[in-house]
Amino acid sequence: QGQLRESGPALVQPSQTLSLTCGVSGGSVSSGGHTWNWIRQPPGKGLEWIGYIQDTGSTYYNPSLKSRVSISVDRSTNHFSLSLTSVTAADSAVYYCAKGVLVWGKGTTVIVSS
Amino acid sequence: EIVLTQSPGTLSLSPGERATLSCRASERIIRSYLAWYQQKPGQAPTVLIYGTSVRATGIPDRFSGSGSGTDFTLTISRLEPEDFAVYYCQHYGGSFTWTFGQGTKVEIK
Repeated sequence: QGQLRESGPALVQPSQTLSLTCGVSGGSVSSGGHTWNWIRQPPGKGLEWIGYIQDTGSTYYNPSLKSRVSISVDRSTNHFSLSLTSVTAADSAVYYCAKGVLVWGKGTTVIVSS
Repeated sequence: EIVLTQSPGTLSLSPGERATLSCRASERIIRSYLAWYQQKPGQAPTVLIYGTSVRATGIPDRFSGSGSGTDFTLTISRLEPEDFAVYYCQHYGGSFTWTFGQGTKVEIK
């Protein structure tokens, strides 16, 4: 099934861009038939799907975040990335990456604060 | 965009009892693309069920999923102490947006 690990800054300034990376081990981001997802969970709240990229390169985003989100894949380093622009405190959350529904990373906490 | 509504919000039960969790979709879900997750405090969610009724690897058979169309159910036949957690349903699949329900907390009575 493989393993996933999120990485990136724990603190982001308001109005800046949040950038996270998900490293994939035990598998390839180029393998067919998978969706590479980002999900987040604000403190004390439920899960929110952010979006995914398919092996074809097609992307699908949560309509509520679509104007600020971009997900990309780097096949040379076997990882995929999340970019979220113009962040506010409401974007503070634990961010998870996932391969389909079966394999999730442990999550990384991001706080938006000056 | 399909909206998933889970009920009840909180379920208070004792170990050994049966738990029945509901997930209702605002539109018909095609091809059984419905999953259930368990989340314990401070941990990432763990998938229990996918494809409406397929248990993920290593998941005990006391967990079962059922349903079709717009109504789906997660049943825990006999609650073990480690089953007290928050449960989420999720609509997933290719070529459209995904969504989670708001969660059901199963707490010790």
